[in-house]
Amino acid sequence: DSGVTQTPKHLITATGQRVTLRCSPRSGDLSVYWYQQSLDQGLQFLIQYYNGEERAKGNILERFSAQQFPDLHSELNLSSLELGDSALYFCASSPTGTYTEAFFGQGTRLTVV
Amino acid sequence: AQKITQTQPGMFVQEKEAVTLDCTYDTSDPSYGLFWYKQPSSGEMIFLIYQGSYDQQNATEGRYSLNFQKARKSANLVISASQLGDSAMYFCAMREAMTTDSWGKLQFGAGTQVVVTP
Repeated sequence: DSGVTQTPKHLITATGQRVTLRCSPRSGDLSVYWYQQSLDQGLQFLIQYYNGEERAKGNILERFSAQQFPDLHSELNLSSLELGDSALYFCASSPTGTYTEAFFGQGTRLTVV
Repeated sequence: AQKITQTQPGMFVQEKEAVTLDCTYDTSDPSYGLFWYKQPSSGEMIFLIYQGSYDQQNATEGRYSLNFQKARKSANLVISASQLGDSAMYFCAMREAMTTDSWGKLQFGAGTQVVVTP
């Protein structure tokens, strides 16, 4: 058990819909990272939050947004979903941005039909 | 530009044998970290081992060791005494120094699928 909790584990939704993925970091970790894993793009960094503030942005679509709450849990919102958004979405956490280990949640498998 | 390159898409290895997974990286930052993760068919990402760019010794964690050759920009993972449970996809990743653009994010290679046979 990595200590990073992601919910839900599986999500099936229709095109055009909106979903919210949730991540609870390991106790004490201030930094949360979101990654997308798809067959064609591999593992891609989406966005990072540190102690409630956005710190780094990667290849995140404008239809996607995220936030980190005062209790440090984070949510990734995906809207106007397309078939190509089907992927495994991971959350990872670390104490800071300079870390020697980063633990991942079990992922949320999103299927858009 | 691809920062992490894993040239072996797949490998077969016999149980109890050692296997080396190749990883090369590209960075101009003097301070960076290299990571290996294991992803079994169930999908979770399991942290295996870390090597810092300033570390003098090669990292080891149980049956995992990292062969770090800084001048060649190579960070190969060695799994000794392979077990059936080692069958998985293995990813090499790099974290570069803190900048506004890349504060802590990991960049991943394409992965190597390892199948351990009895």
